[in-house]
Amino acid sequence: EAGVVQSPRYKIIEKKQPVAFWCNPISGHNTLYWYLQNLGQGPELLIRYENEEAVDDSQLPKDRFSAERLKGVDSTLKIQPAELGDSAVYLCASSSPPDRGFRNYGYTFGSGTRLTVV
Amino acid sequence: QQQVKQSPQSLIVQKGGISIINCAYENTAFDYFPWYQQFPGKGPALLIAIRPDVSEKKEGRFTISFNKSAKQFSLHIMDSQPGDSATYFCAARDSGGSNYKLTFGKGTLLTVNP
Repeated sequence: EAGVVQSPRYKIIEKKQPVAFWCNPISGHNTLYWYLQNLGQGPELLIRYENEEAVDDSQLPKDRFSAERLKGVDSTLKIQPAELGDSAVYLCASSSPPDRGFRNYGYTFGSGTRLTVV
Repeated sequence: QQQVKQSPQSLIVQKGGISIINCAYENTAFDYFPWYQQFPGKGPALLIAIRPDVSEKKEGRFTISFNKSAKQFSLHIMDSQPGDSATYFCAARDSGGSNYKLTFGKGTLLTVNP
């Protein structure tokens, strides 16, 4: 089974430029998450999708960040314009609804996109 | 407000030793406590998890101990190996509705010396 696929792996851009990250979740996983991971910190949720609906975007800085999940599969996270403080790793994760199997409560993370804004 | 506090920030252990990482939480609505392992350049990977109705869970060399009254849980890695060198994150899930949001600790960088 393929894992969560993210691209690009690395991105370097100048401040004020736009940038986009792409995520392909595990097949059949209805729930998709975007997390932000700053250096030396744990991941922090930006947005959660149930199918194509954003059900929790309370932590997404909406003045410059946007996300979409067309057709409830792939997702794109965009920053426009990027700021120096946006330099971080952007992680995508997906999960299926939990059942009695405890492990299904867990997410599967992608390898992330490391963004450097200069 | 940091909802999940993790310590220590870094840990150095000799091969064959026991690694212990601790976490504490405040939110009594948390109902699921996973531990994630992250290698450089990789995303976090689920290592082991526990629910609060269980005091201990063991999987191979990895054990979670859970103290509900103290709102603390810890990860024990027995017979630590150099391959265990990674960053470990504890996390907690809020049981409210269908919210699967995980709140992570700040992580512990474990180094196992050969």
